Amino acid sequence: GAVVSQHPSRVICKSGTSVKIECRSLDFQATTMFWYRQFPKKSLMLMATSNEGSKATYEQGVEKDKFLINHASLTLSTLTVTSAHPEDSSFYICSASKAQGLRETQYFGPGTRLLVL
Amino acid sequence: DAKTTQPNSMESNEEEPVHLPCNHSTISGTDYIHWYRQLPSQGPEYVIHGLTSNVNNRMASLAIAEDRKSSTLILHRATLRDAAVYYCILRDGGGGTSYGKLTFGQGTILTVHP
Repeated sequence: GAVVSQHPSRVICKSGTSVKIECRSLDFQATTMFWYRQFPKKSLMLMATSNEGSKATYEQGVEKDKFLINHASLTLSTLTVTSAHPEDSSFYICSASKAQGLRETQYFGPGTRLLVL
Repeated sequence: DAKTTQPNSMESNEEEPVHLPCNHSTISGTDYIHWYRQLPSQGPEYVIHGLTSNVNNRMASLAIAEDRKSSTLILHRATLRDAAVYYCILRDGGGGTSYGKLTFGQGTILTVHP
């Protein structure tokens, strides 16, 4: 397997503030990382695809100016929720792709629970 | 995106085998069949994946129908720790715009009874 970490594991913030979530692949290099959001009792929804050294590709309906993604190295991607509001409260999960081509597999982080008051 | 259909829930007894079905009648030739599972308040965990042939690993077995329109995840001896939501997902391996993306459905909630 492969290990992906996220930090912080949970965060509480006030409405209007920005929150940064880090996603790291600990024992492999990941050219592609993905960010998902999951609301209670719902399935994961892909927000964006992040490639090292290039701009992220956002899914339809996801505001790129609100959810800033930076993938500065092969082991680190960050998601910044800007001007957070209560409706942004959710479980944010990242994943990292290991290897290329036919044997590519995504490994997921443990998730970050965001609560916006 | 090619879609999958799974039962909403299944139940099993501890130490018995579990067969989790998945239908994917619109699967394309370049789609890989992936299975992940998710425990409450955790990120999904990779279980197994395959393309055409049956696959085995330390966690489970994946049986793929000859026409690839369905597959079955097999847990040989269920334990209480196997209770989770199991997702069957088709991943595009053909290099198109959806290459590498995983589209999660609702999955199957597996309950394991002691």
